[in-house]
Amino acid sequence: AQTVTQSQPEMSVQEAETVTLSCTYDTSENNYYLFWYKQPPSRQMILVIRQEAYKQQNATENRFSVNFQKAAKSFSLKISDSQLGDTAMYFCAFMDQGAQKLVFGQGTRLTINP
Amino acid sequence: GAGVSQSPSNKVTEKGKDVELRCDPISGHTALYWYRQSLGQGLEFLIYFQGNSAPDKSGLPSDRFSAERTGGSVSTLTIQRTQQEDSAVYLCASSLEGRGFGGELFFGEGSRLTVL
Repeated sequence: AQTVTQSQPEMSVQEAETVTLSCTYDTSENNYYLFWYKQPPSRQMILVIRQEAYKQQNATENRFSVNFQKAAKSFSLKISDSQLGDTAMYFCAFMDQGAQKLVFGQGTRLTINP
Repeated sequence: GAGVSQSPSNKVTEKGKDVELRCDPISGHTALYWYRQSLGQGLEFLIYFQGNSAPDKSGLPSDRFSAERTGGSVSTLTIQRTQQEDSAVYLCASSLEGRGFGGELFFGEGSRLTVL
């Protein structure tokens, strides 16, 4: 079974700093998808960024980028120029190409301080 | 609607009672998921519906939990004889694509269940 591990339960940085959230996963599959979701206090999960395992190029979305290391099964999220609105729980998630369910990590609570 | 709608937003019930949680997915989305999120925890997969296929119920924690999806749209998650450990936020999500496409899941705001 696939597992997703986020080793940082909580992180805190100052506004405008860069922060990196860690995620590792375990799978025997070769084709899969990786995601970072954000859950602000409002509770609604929002997709931040998505990576297809067959693509070597790291995905980027404005201030958000990933460092995807397939051999190491690592998928970290970098937030540049962090903003107060980035304060949220961040979940790393995995979906293999043949399956239908998204497997989530335990989450990292990120706080951006003014 | 514009997004995934869940009701009720909050539900307080007594131990032993049955509860029903409703999810109205985004129109046209063929895939529908239920997840459970206990306090401060990650999301635990419960069940997945894809079109007219048989649902994947592999995540349901006990036979007290069941779900149905009528007409390929609205879904109801039912918990019978609720226990205190059932207290959690129940999240519903829908997706345009189904199996293997790795598409984005769109989540509702969840139903917070408290069992006294």
